[in-house]
Amino acid sequence: ETGVTQSPTHLIKTRGQQVTLRCSSQSGHNTVSWYQQALGQGPQFIFQYYREEENGRGNFPPRFSGLQFPNYSSELNVNALELDDSALYLCASSPQQVRSGANVLTFGAGSRLTVL
Amino acid sequence: GQSLEQPSEVTAVEGAIVQINCTYQTSGFYGLSWYQQHDGGAPTFLSYNALDGLEETGRFSSFLSRSDSYGYLLLQELQMKDSASYFCAVRSTGANNLFFGTGTRLTVIP
Repeated sequence: ETGVTQSPTHLIKTRGQQVTLRCSSQSGHNTVSWYQQALGQGPQFIFQYYREEENGRGNFPPRFSGLQFPNYSSELNVNALELDDSALYLCASSPQQVRSGANVLTFGAGSRLTVL
Repeated sequence: GQSLEQPSEVTAVEGAIVQINCTYQTSGFYGLSWYQQHDGGAPTFLSYNALDGLEETGRFSSFLSRSDSYGYLLLQELQMKDSASYFCAVRSTGANNLFFGTGTRLTVIP
C-alpha cells in the first residue's frame, strides 16, 4: 500500500503571497488532517477533512483553508502569508472517523514552507 | 484547554534503557499516543494507551496512569537508530484530532 505523499517538499514564498500544498492520503484512508510544525516544536492541528467537509479546526485564522477531493486527497491553502507561517506542514491520513481507539495517524514527510 | 509536558532533551547510552515522561492536562481525556520523528522525516505511530497500565510493543513500552495524568515511553536495548524526537499526544473526548506535546529529543551515544 502507498503511504501519504505531499508536494511540494520545499518551497519559498514572500510575505503576502498565497500557497497551496497538496496531499495524497494512504490507500483506504478517507480522513485527512493537516498539522503545522514549527522548528523544535510538536505538530499543531490546523483542521481535518472527512467526506470532503471540514470536520474540526484548531486555533488557526481563516486565511488557512482546505479542500478534500472525492479521491480523499487534500489541499491546504494559506493566503496573505506571514513570516510566522514558515514551518513544516504535515498531512496525516487515518482510516475513518474513529469513535474509539487509537485513531492512528499516518503522516507524510511534509512540505517545508519558508516565508521571506 | 490542553497542555502536555515532556523533557526537551534526553541522552542515553547504546544498549541502555531510557524513559521519556509525559504529563498532560486536558478537559476530557480519551487516550495517550506516542510518535517518533527522525530529523527530516514523518512522525510515525509507536504506541497508544487508553487504560491504565503498560502496553508493550517489542523494545518499546508505554505506560499510563489516568489518575496522575501521566504517562511514559520506555525504550529498551537502545540502538543508534533510536536517536529521534518523541512526541506524546492526547486525544480528548469528542475530538478526532491529536494534541501533541513539544517533543523530547533523544540522543543515543555509543
